[in-house]
Amino acid sequence: DVHLVESGGGLVQPGRSLRLSCEASGFTFDDYAMHWVRQAPGKGLEWVSGISWNSDRIGYADSVKGRFSISRDNAKNSLYLHMNSLRPEDTAFYFCAKGRKYHSLSPFDNWGQGTLVTVSP
Amino acid sequence: DIQMTQSPSSLSASVGDRITITCRASQDISDYLAWFQQKPGKAPKSLIYAASTLHSGVPSKFSGSGSGTDFTLTISSLQPEDFATYYCQQYDTYPLTFGPGTTVDVK
Repeated sequence: DVHLVESGGGLVQPGRSLRLSCEASGFTFDDYAMHWVRQAPGKGLEWVSGISWNSDRIGYADSVKGRFSISRDNAKNSLYLHMNSLRPEDTAFYFCAKGRKYHSLSPFDNWGQGTLVTVSP
Repeated sequence: DIQMTQSPSSLSASVGDRITITCRASQDISDYLAWFQQKPGKAPKSLIYAASTLHSGVPSKFSGSGSGTDFTLTISSLQPEDFATYYCQQYDTYPLTFGPGTTVDVK
């Protein structure tokens, strides 16, 4: 079974940084694209960023471009989201999601349970 | 960016009802359209990709159709476990974008 487990969330002050991790198991991690999706409390889903299997194709939402950076370590079966210059509007549950194929423009199939990031003074 | 809209934003239905949710893209996305289900406090669940292909394990009461800019999700006979919020998403072009969601609740 595919398992995706996010970690690294918590309370952080505006302007500070945080790194989220997503540990994957149950599949050949370096065969698939991966994504981050967030959801502010009581709001809808917002795609944040995606990365292809070998990191050669990366995309970001306009709302995080220049502040967030996605990366992956295929040797560790792990996906990361480096978040800088955090703002209160970045407060959300952050989910990692697995793509069905190696390239980042592929549909999602499996999701993690999410980790909560709260940006507040 | 490609804008996704959904209608209705919410609907009330009864067990056994057939319901249809519409999703529209602001430009042609071919069939690069996915549907997700989310229940309160839970992660989203992937239902459909390529507009009409069910993910493994998704029951056949769910069906999707459409191409280009107009898409639909149909649940043929609503069951108690189907009351949830449904989102469409385009994966044709970066940035990927979701619709605002349609909440299906009990009439």
